[in-house]
Amino acid sequence: EAGVTQFPSHSVIEKGQTVTLRCDPISGHDNLYWYRRVMGKEIKFLLHFVKESKQDESGMPNNRFLAERTGGTYSTLKVQPAELEDSGVYFCASSQADEYGYTFGSGTRLTVV
Amino acid sequence: DQQVKQNSPSLSVQEGRISILNCDYTNSMFDYFLWYKKYPAEGPTFLISISSIKDKNEDGRFTVFLNKSAKHLSLHIVPSQPGDSAVYFCAAKDSGGSNYKLTFGKGTLLTVNP
Repeated sequence: EAGVTQFPSHSVIEKGQTVTLRCDPISGHDNLYWYRRVMGKEIKFLLHFVKESKQDESGMPNNRFLAERTGGTYSTLKVQPAELEDSGVYFCASSQADEYGYTFGSGTRLTVV
Repeated sequence: DQQVKQNSPSLSVQEGRISILNCDYTNSMFDYFLWYKKYPAEGPTFLISISSIKDKNEDGRFTVFLNKSAKHLSLHIVPSQPGDSAVYFCAAKDSGGSNYKLTFGKGTLLTVNP
């Protein structure tokens, strides 16, 4: 079974530019989550999809962040325009229904310079 | 306001001995707790969990203890192996919020020396 795949693994962009992160969950997993870890800090929840619907987006920092999950399959997280404080590792995770121990991807390390 | 706290940034133990990783929480609405292990350049991997109705859960070398009155949980690894060297995250689920949203601590780096 393929795991959760994230692309790219690394991205370095200049302040003010746009970046789009992609996540392919495990096939059949309706739940998809985005989390972020800023260096040395805790892993923080961003949002949760159930299929194509946003179940909870209470962790999204501001309106520069836009997440989509078209057709309930893969998801994208767009940051526009990027700011220095957006740097960190963005993790995507997926799970089946009623499952708390979800599977994480390897993350995308975003550096805004 | 950090609701899940791992006050030890790092821990070093000898191979074969016991590793004890600690976690404290402040939110009394948390009803499910998980431990994740993370190697460099990889995502966190689910390790073991415990429901708030229990005080102990064991899986092989890993045991999680929950003390609800103290709002404290711990992960015991015995015997510790060099392959256990990783960052360990404590996480908790809020019964009153989104069913699957987890709140994480900052992590503890465990180093097991051969």
